[in-house]
Amino acid sequence: DAGVIQSPRHEVTEMGQEVTLRCKPISGHNSLFWYRQTMMRGLELLIYFNNNVPIDDSGMPEDRFSAKMPNASFSTLKIQPSEPRDSAVYFCASSPPGGANQPQHFGDGTRLSIL
Amino acid sequence: AQSVTQPDIHITVSEGASLELRCNYSYGATPYLFWYVQSPGQGLQLLLKYFSGDTLVQGIKGFEAEFKRSQSSFNLRKPSVHWSDAAEYFCAVGRGSQGNLIFGKGTKLSVKP
Repeated sequence: DAGVIQSPRHEVTEMGQEVTLRCKPISGHNSLFWYRQTMMRGLELLIYFNNNVPIDDSGMPEDRFSAKMPNASFSTLKIQPSEPRDSAVYFCASSPPGGANQPQHFGDGTRLSIL
Repeated sequence: AQSVTQPDIHITVSEGASLELRCNYSYGATPYLFWYVQSPGQGLQLLLKYFSGDTLVQGIKGFEAEFKRSQSSFNLRKPSVHWSDAAEYFCAVGRGSQGNLIFGKGTKLSVKP
């Protein structure tokens, strides 16, 4: 079975540019999560969706970040404009129906470097 | 507020030695508890989970964890560590009906020959 698929795996861009990260969750999963991982702050939840609806976006750092889930099989995380402090590994995860007792399945992440 | 604490940032053990990684949680209700492992350059992989019932749960790769309500702990153990176990380990607690998790800061495990 295909796991959570993220693209690109690596992204290097200059500050000020728009960055779009993509995620395809596991088929049948109805919750999707975006995380950011850095050495300083660890793993932070940015936003999560349930049935394509954003449930909690309190972790989104600022208005430069936005996330969408137009359908059950695709989500994007956009940063515009990007800044060097956005450099991190961004993970997408999905989980099946059932609430908090369902484990999350993680993609391999996108390593983002903003120069 | 819910929280997860992993007191050890980095642990080094010898190959073949036993391992225990500590995890303490703060949660107002019966928690759903998870351990994940992250190898370099990869995402997190589920090792095991606890929801209810037997407080000793078995996971993949020979790991087990014990839920102790009185101590608010969910420590991860392995009787004999292999070099391939070197990775970072995250404890997490589930909350809410939507499946949101709170992760600890992680414990990095190094294995020496």
